Amino acid sequence: ETGVTQTPRHLVMGMTNKKSLKCEQHLGHNAMYWYKQSAKKPLELMFVYSLEERVENNSVPSRFSPECPNSSHLFLHLHTLQPEDSALYLCASSQESGAGNQPQHFGDGTRLSIL
Amino acid sequence: AQTVTQSQPEMSVQEAETVTLSCTYDTSESNYYLFWYKQPPSRQMILVIRQEAYKQQNATENRFSVNFQKAAKSFSLKISDSQLGDTAMYFCAFMRRYGGATNKLIFGTGTLLAVQP
Repeated sequence: ETGVTQTPRHLVMGMTNKKSLKCEQHLGHNAMYWYKQSAKKPLELMFVYSLEERVENNSVPSRFSPECPNSSHLFLHLHTLQPEDSALYLCASSQESGAGNQPQHFGDGTRLSIL
Repeated sequence: AQTVTQSQPEMSVQEAETVTLSCTYDTSESNYYLFWYKQPPSRQMILVIRQEAYKQQNATENRFSVNFQKAAKSFSLKISDSQLGDTAMYFCAFMRRYGGATNKLIFGTGTLLAVQP
């Protein structure tokens, strides 16, 4: 079992659909993150959770709704997405949020395509 | 605000040769961390090497080493004896040393490295 697991690996959805991305970490970490990775752009931090509390919402549109039911699981609920939301969505975890001496561990990502 | 710049979108190197990837950053902070992350095609992004700004000695991890020039705000990655498995997107990143729970990694746009057989 890898440290950070994301499902599904690929997702194609219409603009009116509702879907969810799932992330699970098996590292005993207390912080979890969602990033958006678009071609030729830096990774964009979307949300940060620390001990199941959201500590950062980086001006993300409300059509993205995160959920962290416990410190091992993180979801990203999607609804009414736009074509520009097509990207690779990466989940990461670390022992604590905001600590540079505790590296973030990333999942494989979910490749999202909006039709 | 901090920014990270990687001016080489793509690079190519022959197997067994040495290649250097460039990274510059802008910050008013004096204490921070710098990172190089590697993202192979369709695989997880992993940490390659980390440098603490208050340490003058350049970090080294096996075939990977950095040239950290604090005054110039430059942080290049050198890969020696390149291997086919080094083919990946490489991201340079910055994080303040202190910043609380909302302290975040700031990434560059990445350099796509292709190792040729």
